[in-house]
Amino acid sequence: AQSVTQLGSHVSVSEGALVLLRCNYSSSVPPYLFWYVQYPNQGLQLLLKYTTGATLVKGINGFEAEFKKSETSFHLTKPSAHMSDAAEYFCAVSVGTGGFKTIFGAGTRLFVKA
Amino acid sequence: DTGVSQNPRHKITKRGQNVTFRCDPISEHNRLYWYRQTLGQGPEFLTYFQNEAQLEKSRLLSDRFSAERPKGSFSTLEIQRTEQGDSAMYLCASSPGTSIVGEQFFGPGTRLTVL
Repeated sequence: AQSVTQLGSHVSVSEGALVLLRCNYSSSVPPYLFWYVQYPNQGLQLLLKYTTGATLVKGINGFEAEFKKSETSFHLTKPSAHMSDAAEYFCAVSVGTGGFKTIFGAGTRLFVKA
Repeated sequence: DTGVSQNPRHKITKRGQNVTFRCDPISEHNRLYWYRQTLGQGPEFLTYFQNEAQLEKSRLLSDRFSAERPKGSFSTLEIQRTEQGDSAMYLCASSPGTSIVGEQFFGPGTRLTVL
Protein backbone atom coordinates (compact mmCIF):
# COMPACT_ATOMS: atom_id res chain seq x y z
CA ALA A 1 0.00 0.00 0.00
CA GLN A 2 1.11 3.52 -0.69
CA SER A 3 1.97 5.87 2.14
CA VAL A 4 3.66 9.19 2.79
CA THR A 5 5.73 10.26 5.77
CA GLN A 6 6.62 13.87 6.39
CA LEU A 7 9.47 14.31 8.82
CA GLY A 8 8.82 17.15 11.20
CA SER A 9 5.39 18.53 11.93
CA HIS A 10 6.86 22.01 12.39
CA VAL A 11 9.82 23.70 10.73
CA SER A 12 11.00 27.19 11.59
CA VAL A 13 13.43 29.18 9.45
CA SER A 14 14.58 32.77 9.29
CA GLU A 15 13.60 34.96 6.39
CA GLY A 16 16.15 34.48 3.63
CA ALA A 17 17.27 31.07 4.88
CA LEU A 18 17.00 27.77 3.07
CA VAL A 19 13.72 25.92 3.37
CA LEU A 20 13.88 22.11 3.47
CA LEU A 21 10.74 20.06 4.07
CA ARG A 22 11.23 16.31 4.08
CA CYS A 23 9.00 13.68 2.55
CA ASN A 24 9.43 9.94 2.15
CA TYR A 25 7.00 7.74 0.32
CA SER A 26 6.19 4.10 -0.01
CA SER A 27 4.78 2.79 -3.25
CA SER A 28 4.70 -0.57 -4.96
CA VAL A 29 4.51 1.05 -8.37
CA PRO A 30 6.21 4.11 -9.84
CA PRO A 31 4.57 6.95 -7.98
CA TYR A 32 3.18 10.27 -8.95
CA LEU A 33 4.24 12.68 -6.24
CA PHE A 34 2.94 16.09 -5.27
CA TRP A 35 3.52 18.93 -2.89
CA TYR A 36 0.53 21.05 -1.93
CA VAL A 37 0.42 24.20 0.19
CA GLN A 38 -2.44 25.25 2.42
CA TYR A 39 -2.83 28.77 3.75
CA PRO A 40 -5.10 29.40 6.74
CA ASN A 41 -8.78 28.92 5.97
CA GLN A 42 -8.08 28.02 2.38
CA GLY A 43 -8.05 24.88 0.30
CA LEU A 44 -4.92 23.15 -0.91
CA GLN A 45 -2.97 24.57 -3.83
CA LEU A 46 -0.61 22.53 -5.96
CA LEU A 47 3.04 23.62 -5.66
CA LEU A 48 4.62 21.04 -7.94
CA LYS A 49 4.33 17.48 -9.15
CA TYR A 50 6.58 14.65 -10.28
CA THR A 51 5.33 12.28 -12.94
CA THR A 52 8.15 10.82 -15.00
CA GLY A 53 11.35 12.09 -16.55
CA ALA A 54 13.40 14.83 -14.92
CA THR A 55 13.84 14.14 -11.25
CA LEU A 56 14.28 17.79 -10.28
CA VAL A 57 10.91 19.45 -10.46
CA LYS A 58 10.36 23.19 -10.29
CA GLY A 59 7.13 24.62 -8.98
CA ILE A 60 5.52 27.90 -8.16
CA ASN A 61 6.84 30.54 -5.76
CA GLY A 62 10.46 29.40 -6.19
CA PHE A 63 9.97 25.92 -4.73
CA GLU A 64 11.51 22.79 -6.16
CA ALA A 65 11.68 19.14 -5.23
CA GLU A 66 13.91 16.26 -6.20
CA PHE A 67 12.67 12.71 -6.70
CA LYS A 68 15.20 10.21 -5.40
CA LYS A 69 14.05 6.70 -6.08
CA SER A 70 16.91 5.06 -4.19
CA GLU A 71 15.98 7.00 -1.07
CA THR A 72 12.21 6.97 -1.73
CA SER A 73 12.26 10.67 -1.01
CA PHE A 74 10.72 13.79 -2.49
CA HIS A 75 12.01 16.65 -0.36
CA LEU A 76 10.83 20.21 -0.99
CA THR A 77 13.30 23.09 -1.00
CA LYS A 78 13.44 26.81 -1.53
CA PRO A 79 16.74 28.69 -1.47
CA SER A 80 15.47 31.76 0.37
CA ALA A 81 12.41 31.84 2.59
CA HIS A 82 9.94 34.68 2.45
CA MET A 83 7.45 35.64 5.11
CA SER A 84 4.64 34.78 2.71
CA ASP A 85 5.84 31.15 2.63
CA ALA A 86 4.48 30.56 6.11
CA ALA A 87 1.82 27.89 5.62
CA GLU A 88 1.15 24.16 5.91
CA TYR A 89 2.78 21.94 3.31
CA PHE A 90 1.56 18.49 2.35
CA CYS A 91 3.39 15.82 0.43
CA ALA A 92 1.15 13.39 -1.44
CA VAL A 93 1.30 10.30 -3.61
CA SER A 94 -1.24 9.44 -6.24
CA VAL A 95 -2.44 5.87 -6.63
CA GLY A 96 -4.49 4.13 -9.21
CA THR A 97 -4.89 4.67 -12.90
CA GLY A 98 -5.81 8.25 -13.58
CA GLY A 99 -4.94 9.24 -10.05
CA PHE A 100 -8.32 8.62 -8.59
CA LYS A 101 -7.02 8.56 -5.05
CA THR A 102 -4.37 10.66 -3.36
CA ILE A 103 -2.67 9.77 -0.09
CA PHE A 104 -1.46 12.77 1.90
CA GLY A 105 1.16 13.09 4.55
CA ALA A 106 0.30 14.63 7.89
CA GLY A 107 1.72 17.97 6.84
CA THR A 108 4.55 20.25 7.92
CA ARG A 109 3.82 23.72 9.21
CA LEU A 110 6.45 26.20 8.09
CA PHE A 111 7.15 29.21 10.27
CA VAL A 112 9.24 32.07 8.88
CA LYS A 113 10.90 34.42 11.35
CA ALA A 114 11.73 38.00 10.49
CA ASP B 1 -14.05 32.76 -10.23
CA THR B 2 -13.91 29.39 -11.94
CA GLY B 3 -12.39 27.36 -9.14
CA VAL B 4 -13.97 24.68 -6.97
CA SER B 5 -16.60 26.12 -4.65
CA GLN B 6 -18.06 24.64 -1.48
CA ASN B 7 -21.07 25.64 0.56
CA PRO B 8 -21.50 26.34 3.33
CA ARG B 9 -18.04 27.37 4.46
CA HIS B 10 -18.92 26.76 8.09
CA LYS B 11 -21.58 24.61 9.72
CA ILE B 12 -22.32 24.26 13.40
CA THR B 13 -24.79 21.58 14.37
CA LYS B 14 -25.93 19.62 17.37
CA ARG B 15 -25.12 15.97 17.80
CA GLY B 16 -27.71 13.80 16.13
CA GLN B 17 -28.68 16.29 13.44
CA ASN B 18 -28.21 15.71 9.73
CA VAL B 19 -26.05 18.00 7.61
CA THR B 20 -25.49 18.33 3.89
CA PHE B 21 -22.61 19.99 2.08
CA ARG B 22 -22.39 20.98 -1.55
CA CYS B 23 -19.43 21.05 -3.91
CA ASP B 24 -19.35 22.66 -7.35
CA PRO B 25 -16.29 21.48 -9.27
CA ILE B 26 -14.53 23.25 -12.10
CA SER B 27 -17.01 22.97 -14.94
CA GLU B 28 -15.02 20.82 -17.36
CA HIS B 29 -13.74 18.43 -14.68
CA ASN B 30 -15.44 15.05 -14.64
CA ARG B 31 -13.64 13.68 -11.57
CA LEU B 32 -14.70 14.77 -8.11
CA TYR B 33 -13.27 13.80 -4.73
CA TRP B 34 -14.24 14.27 -1.10
CA TYR B 35 -11.70 14.37 1.70
CA ARG B 36 -11.88 14.90 5.44
CA GLN B 37 -9.19 16.83 7.26
CA THR B 38 -8.88 16.93 11.04
CA LEU B 39 -6.64 19.27 12.98
CA GLY B 40 -2.98 18.53 12.49
CA GLN B 41 -3.57 15.91 9.83
CA GLY B 42 -3.48 15.75 6.08
CA PRO B 43 -6.64 15.21 4.06
CA GLU B 44 -8.05 11.69 4.22
CA PHE B 45 -9.74 10.28 1.14
CA LEU B 46 -13.47 9.64 1.52
CA THR B 47 -14.88 8.99 -1.93
CA TYR B 48 -14.44 9.60 -5.64
CA PHE B 49 -16.75 10.16 -8.61
CA GLN B 50 -16.13 9.84 -12.28
CA ASN B 51 -19.03 11.78 -13.79
CA GLU B 52 -22.07 10.54 -11.85
CA ALA B 53 -20.59 7.17 -10.92
CA GLN B 54 -19.20 6.73 -7.43
CA LEU B 55 -16.17 4.53 -8.06
CA GLU B 56 -14.61 4.19 -4.65
CA LYS B 57 -15.53 4.72 -1.04
CA SER B 58 -13.15 4.70 1.89
CA ARG B 59 -13.87 2.61 4.93
CA LEU B 60 -13.92 5.97 6.71
CA LEU B 61 -17.23 6.59 4.98
CA SER B 62 -19.55 4.88 7.43
CA ASP B 63 -23.19 4.16 6.66
CA ARG B 64 -24.06 7.56 8.14
CA PHE B 65 -22.25 9.22 5.24
CA SER B 66 -23.60 9.37 1.73
CA ALA B 67 -22.38 11.23 -1.31
CA GLU B 68 -24.10 11.87 -4.61
CA ARG B 69 -23.33 13.46 -7.92
CA PRO B 70 -26.62 12.98 -9.74
CA LYS B 71 -25.92 14.76 -12.99
CA GLY B 72 -22.17 14.54 -13.05
CA SER B 73 -21.80 18.18 -12.07
CA PHE B 74 -22.17 19.30 -8.45
CA SER B 75 -21.94 16.84 -5.59
CA THR B 76 -23.44 16.63 -2.12
CA LEU B 77 -22.09 14.96 0.99
CA GLU B 78 -24.63 14.16 3.68
CA ILE B 79 -23.88 13.09 7.22
CA GLN B 80 -26.76 11.64 9.16
CA ARG B 81 -27.00 11.53 12.96
CA THR B 82 -23.84 13.58 13.37
CA GLU B 83 -21.40 12.74 16.14
CA GLN B 84 -18.77 14.91 17.76
CA GLY B 85 -16.11 12.86 15.99
CA ASP B 86 -17.44 14.11 12.68
CA SER B 87 -16.12 17.59 13.45
CA ALA B 88 -13.58 18.29 10.73
CA MET B 89 -12.90 20.20 7.55
CA TYR B 90 -14.54 18.54 4.55
CA LEU B 91 -12.67 19.23 1.34
CA CYS B 92 -13.83 18.75 -2.20
CA ALA B 93 -11.50 18.52 -5.18
CA SER B 94 -11.88 17.99 -8.89
CA SER B 95 -9.66 16.99 -11.76
CA PRO B 96 -10.05 16.75 -15.53
CA GLY B 97 -10.70 13.39 -17.13
CA THR B 98 -7.65 13.89 -19.32
CA SER B 99 -5.30 13.98 -16.35
CA ILE B 100 -3.33 10.80 -15.85
CA VAL B 101 -1.30 12.07 -12.97
CA GLY B 102 -3.93 12.85 -10.38
CA GLU B 103 -3.42 16.57 -9.98
CA GLN B 104 -6.44 17.85 -8.09
CA PHE B 105 -7.90 21.29 -7.62
CA PHE B 106 -9.27 21.89 -4.15
CA GLY B 107 -12.12 23.99 -2.86
CA PRO B 108 -11.85 26.05 0.33
CA GLY B 109 -13.60 23.40 2.41
CA THR B 110 -16.57 23.25 4.75
CA ARG B 111 -15.70 23.32 8.42
CA LEU B 112 -18.13 21.24 10.46
CA THR B 113 -18.45 21.63 14.21
CA VAL B 114 -20.68 19.16 16.04
CA LEU B 115 -21.66 20.27 19.53
